[in-house]
Amino acid sequence: GAVVSQHPSRVICKSGTSVKIECRSLDFQATTMFWYRQFPKQSLMLMATSNEGSKATYEQGVEKDKFLINHASLTLSTLTVTSAHPEDSSFYICSARRTSGGADTGELFFGEGSRLTVL
Amino acid sequence: RKEVEQDPGPFNVPEGATVAFNCTYSNSASQSFFWYRQDCRKEPKLLMSVYSSGNEDGRFTAQLNRASQYISLLIRDSKLSDSATYLCVVTRGGSNYKLTFGKGTLLTVNP
Repeated sequence: GAVVSQHPSRVICKSGTSVKIECRSLDFQATTMFWYRQFPKQSLMLMATSNEGSKATYEQGVEKDKFLINHASLTLSTLTVTSAHPEDSSFYICSARRTSGGADTGELFFGEGSRLTVL
Repeated sequence: RKEVEQDPGPFNVPEGATVAFNCTYSNSASQSFFWYRQDCRKEPKLLMSVYSSGNEDGRFTAQLNRASQYISLLIRDSKLSDSATYLCVVTRGGSNYKLTFGKGTLLTVNP
């Protein structure tokens, strides 16, 4: 099956630093990737939709200057949390929608998630 | 009204029980529907797609009612390993592709 790799799986950083999280589709091309965050015992909250070669579409309430998304290739999207603060501590998960080859079932393939802790 | 609403949990059932989850969606333009399962501190994994005619996969049955705008998931003969959070997902397609997750329903199957 399709695989999405997310890195790093866990990161601890100091307040004020920036953290980059990578999301790669390993065996398929993904023109669209999604970034979510999940607080404990809550559902996934869509932050933004990342489109290859164009600007990301952010959900209401998500600061685009705070959460920089770059989708430079068909297999890689990155999320950079800039000037991280303790309230940014969360579980960030990416997913990719396979649209190349085969039928587009609408199925999403998720990365393993990245747990960010900001001290 | 929220775009996707799920049964509030948690559900605690004994092994072997049958349990059903419902999920309603507000946007009639929604096109695709899925049930995902998420184990604690893990990423969600697709459990099954939901088709208009209803579909079954072993002990799991999913149904879609477009007129009433809800989907359901039925688990028969529940196992301990079924304990997880079940998320319904609704997507809208086209150039404005969007997917929305429900909050999830926590199921605990007890021995």
